[in-house]
Amino acid sequence: AQSVTQPDIHITVSEGASLELRCNYSYGATPYLFWYVQSPGQGLQLLLKYFSGDTLVQGIKGFEAEFKRSQSSFNLRKPSVHWSDAAEYFCAVNDYKLSFGAGTTVTVRA
Amino acid sequence: DAGITQSPRHKVTETGTPVTLRCHQTENHRYMYWYRQDPGHGLRLIHYSYGVKDTDKGEVSDGYSVSRSKTEDFLLTLESATSSQTSVYFCAISESGRGSPGPQHFGDGTRLSIL
Repeated sequence: AQSVTQPDIHITVSEGASLELRCNYSYGATPYLFWYVQSPGQGLQLLLKYFSGDTLVQGIKGFEAEFKRSQSSFNLRKPSVHWSDAAEYFCAVNDYKLSFGAGTTVTVRA
Repeated sequence: DAGITQSPRHKVTETGTPVTLRCHQTENHRYMYWYRQDPGHGLRLIHYSYGVKDTDKGEVSDGYSVSRSKTEDFLLTLESATSSQTSVYFCAISESGRGSPGPQHFGDGTRLSIL
């Protein structure tokens, strides 16, 4: 069965610093992988997706993610964090449904 | 943004009462989903639909039923609400489903409290 693990429950980062969120997946075939962001009281917004091809994918809001099959990982990165990036981030893998990780909450300090 | 409307946005009710949540889409997408979100669990699939009158169970379907009589509407019913069903419920839609990739677009959620 597919599953996703996000090892970090909460990350605090200074504004302007870099951010990396970890995601590990378990899936038998070629995975379809996604990162979503959720601001308080809002639904989920798709940041980026990986289906095949180039293992480094670019998304919205300046985010990127790298697929590493050998490590079963799909980590999300941003070079310079803005205060508006404070939110909860979810990694997901898709078969007929999305299986989500438990999420990582990002706090941005001034 | 994808045209997804959830109603109501907030509801407080008592244990044992029936509750129906509605999801309405204007995108004409084939697939519709109901998730619940609880702290520490991410989102978990309750039920999904792959067409009018075609539905199937997700991983946490006990105590819930769904119906889809029109492409645009997907209803989630709690026949007899329990306190363990207090949660935030999200509807999602997708153009594609099993065997093919397709990101899902989410509604803004319904916060349901069962006292």
